[in-house]
Amino acid sequence: DQQVKQNSPSLSVQEGRISILNCDYTNSMFDYFLWYKKYPAEGPTFLISISSIKDKNEDGRFTVFLNKSAKHLSLHIVPSQPGDSAVYFCAASSRSNTGKLIFGQGTTLQVKP
Amino acid sequence: NAGVTQTPKFQVLKTGQSMTLQCAQDMNHNSMYWYRQDPGMGLRLIYYSASEGTTDKGEVPNGYNVSRLNKREFSLRLESAAPSQTSVYFCASSLWETQYFGPGTRLLVL
Repeated sequence: DQQVKQNSPSLSVQEGRISILNCDYTNSMFDYFLWYKKYPAEGPTFLISISSIKDKNEDGRFTVFLNKSAKHLSLHIVPSQPGDSAVYFCAASSRSNTGKLIFGQGTTLQVKP
Repeated sequence: NAGVTQTPKFQVLKTGQSMTLQCAQDMNHNSMYWYRQDPGMGLRLIYYSASEGTTDKGEVPNGYNVSRLNKREFSLRLESAAPSQTSVYFCASSLWETQYFGPGTRLLVL
């Protein structure tokens, strides 16, 4: 049972445009959500997070939106840059479950110059 | 401040061999984790340690054991490697919800 799903394996956008990466979850106990970026042959690096008490969190070019009723979150990157090309993982946790993260399958973003 | 370090970077094993993957963090984090990443499956939790002296199973613990040696170090042991354990292994640590990952160990079991 996949509790966190990223249904788009890949996404290609033009430099300067907006990239929108999507993530769905099924467990209503999740109360904290994170996005990680991963380059080949490196470990995932933390990008941005959001608590379930918020519906939006912004950090520079990156914004995460949370729609609790739809159990859906999205990551917006504006403007997209070639250096953003990487695999993006969304993850969810429940404070009642010792903060263990459940990861989605990942979406490969390619930003074309 | 190196963050999370892992050794070795790459290892080839024959079926049935054993090995230990090492992980250390210098961020004074309480919790540490071991994940494996396989194509199309994201990262799956193998074992975790919420604090020094405690360890618990994650989603895919079969075939692995762990040791939380002290607050800094958390090792993962494969007692009898199988081809199904071919994967990339990541160690992570956290103080609260955000986990910080090491660079990974690529393991090939023949």
